[in-house]
Amino acid sequence: KAGVTQTPRYLIKTRGQQVTLSCSPISGHRSVSWYQQTPGQGLQFLFEYFSETQRNKGNFPGRFSGRQFSNSRSEMNVSTLELGDSALYLCASSLGPEDYGYTFGSGTRLTVV
Amino acid sequence: EDKVVQSPLSLVVHEGDTVTLNCSYEVTNFRSLLWYKQEKKAPTFLFMLTSSGIEKKSGRLSSILDKKELFSILNITATQTGDSAVYLCAVQTGANNLFFGTGTRLTVIP
Repeated sequence: KAGVTQTPRYLIKTRGQQVTLSCSPISGHRSVSWYQQTPGQGLQFLFEYFSETQRNKGNFPGRFSGRQFSNSRSEMNVSTLELGDSALYLCASSLGPEDYGYTFGSGTRLTVV
Repeated sequence: EDKVVQSPLSLVVHEGDTVTLNCSYEVTNFRSLLWYKQEKKAPTFLFMLTSSGIEKKSGRLSSILDKKELFSILNITATQTGDSAVYLCAVQTGANNLFFGTGTRLTVIP
């Protein structure tokens, strides 16, 4: 079966712009979580969606938002980009909130210049 | 504040060596501890541990959890160059959040 698909793979944006990242979960998976990975901070939880509802949110500013569609695909949006937003953004899917079997996508590498 | 601490931060060993990676945690409402291997981008799942003292084993890799002392170890025996990666420890809480450590970068040299 196809894995978790994230698009685009790479992205370069300038400060102040906004960006939208996409994540298509494994077929049948309804829970999608987003993470930011930076060299200094490691993997940090952004938010989790299940059945089009945000269930949990990490400690990130309001510039970071997301949503989930009825087909379980999820998008993450970052507005007013800052240099510090440069990171690898990973999404992971699982069957549901009670399922421990998270499968990660390959990520989107965002560079803000 | 929930936190997960991994040690060492990096490790260089020779092929054939045995390594032990450590993960300690302080979280509210612990549910499980997970180990991942990250070679390029996507972390791949290794183990999930929920009970103390029960070793999980997969080939040359094994892991065990101590819920009293709040730590887990990941052992790799007879290391190979293909084991070179960042090993991530994550703790899942009752709120279904995953808290990751910063990882241990393992380099296995021939």
